Amino acid sequence: IAGITQAPTSQILAAGRRMTLRCTQDMRHNAMYWYRQDLGLGLRLIHYSNTAGTTGKGEVPDGYSVSRANTDDFPLTLASAVPSQTSVYFCASSDPDTSEQFFGPGTRLTVL
Amino acid sequence: EDKVVQSPLSLVVHEGDTVTLNCSYEVTNFRSLLWYKQEKKAPTFLFMLTSSGIEKKSGRLSSILDKKELFSILNITATQTGDSAVYLCAVEIWTSGSRLTFGEGTQLTVNP
Repeated sequence: IAGITQAPTSQILAAGRRMTLRCTQDMRHNAMYWYRQDLGLGLRLIHYSNTAGTTGKGEVPDGYSVSRANTDDFPLTLASAVPSQTSVYFCASSDPDTSEQFFGPGTRLTVL
Repeated sequence: EDKVVQSPLSLVVHEGDTVTLNCSYEVTNFRSLLWYKQEKKAPTFLFMLTSSGIEKKSGRLSSILDKKELFSILNITATQTGDSAVYLCAVEIWTSGSRLTFGEGTQLTVNP
């Protein structure tokens, strides 16, 4: 692994179903983030984690939960998906020395 | 509420033209401003700016920050079709950890 990986690449989901989007990084970055990207709205922060064992709410946290059991993994869970959660989801991690955030390839999620 | 506004939202130019993309912001606890380029998938890092008036340059791209007037510009000279992308401006804020607030992005299309 080099950088950040996300799985799945894309998913079609029925409304009401539970879904976990996976994110793994191998850069040993302390901070990790989940964003959603919708047309005309840019990237919006859902949840973040400054370090393993801690998480915080971003701009649009409702309907989503995260956990950070270790440095490398930061899964995002939709407990009961709704159509408004149709979006492209990006995971990112940041280098504490430069503040640059590195992004994963994204997951395209469609909720019907 | 933290706000980042980019203009224009879209721009169509011919190869060889010079373009200027704008980013204005209103945030608390400003730490830096970052520019990203997004083609098909994940955003890729271009510049990070922390000080006013100091131009960052990379090939045909350059950027500058004005912390008094709260804006930044990204210039691209002698545009090429490969410059076609969405350009994202993000402001880093620091409150017990780093977080980015993104603008909506500028969709640049460079025609041959």
